[in-house]
Amino acid sequence: SQKIEQNSEALNIQEGKTATLTCNYTNYSPAYLQWYRQDPGRGPVFLLLIRENEKEKRKERLKVTFDTTLKQSLFHITASQPADSATYLCASPTDSWGKLQFGAGTQVVVTP
Amino acid sequence: GAVVSQHPSWVICKSGTSVKIECRSLDFQATTMFWYRQFPKQSLMLMATSNEGSKATYEQGVEKDKFLINHASLTLSTLTVTSAHPEDSSFYICSATPGTGNTEAFFGQGTRLTVV
Repeated sequence: SQKIEQNSEALNIQEGKTATLTCNYTNYSPAYLQWYRQDPGRGPVFLLLIRENEKEKRKERLKVTFDTTLKQSLFHITASQPADSATYLCASPTDSWGKLQFGAGTQVVVTP
Repeated sequence: GAVVSQHPSWVICKSGTSVKIECRSLDFQATTMFWYRQFPKQSLMLMATSNEGSKATYEQGVEKDKFLINHASLTLSTLTVTSAHPEDSSFYICSATPGTGNTEAFFGQGTRLTVV
């Protein structure tokens, strides 16, 4: 079956450092991957989308990579700030109509 | 960006009663919306795909008679939890995507349901 997995352990990081999150997928080849941010008690908010033919995507302090050989996407938050503390979810499409499968999410805690 | 509004944000109901949750796309039309459920410390689990003008498509293991979905217009989908029980207590979230395929999904704020 198709699986998408993230490290469920919380990532504690000091302000100013780079946080790196991992998303691995197995038994399928998604055309793209998406990354979302979710704050407690709120719905996810879209951050970045990267397609299978793209190696890297950037948006401000965020960077996403997509390695189809390793079946992995990495999500980086550079110069992290306490306001970046949240849970980050990766997602892949399971059909062409927008149905998404989500990873378990990785909680990031940035301390001053 | 597009806005999806979900209402109510939270609701407490007694066991055996029904609760309706609304999901509206405010500035775009959505022929398809999705309903997810999320338990504490867990990820979003897709419950069903809501299709405007036709029956919803439910994921395996989701009881369609318990979770009634109605998508009566291009901007509104409703999820009704019927005969709610404490185990139905969860965070319910809807999403919609302007257009099809390779675009971002916009999520509602979520509804915290507590059944007592």
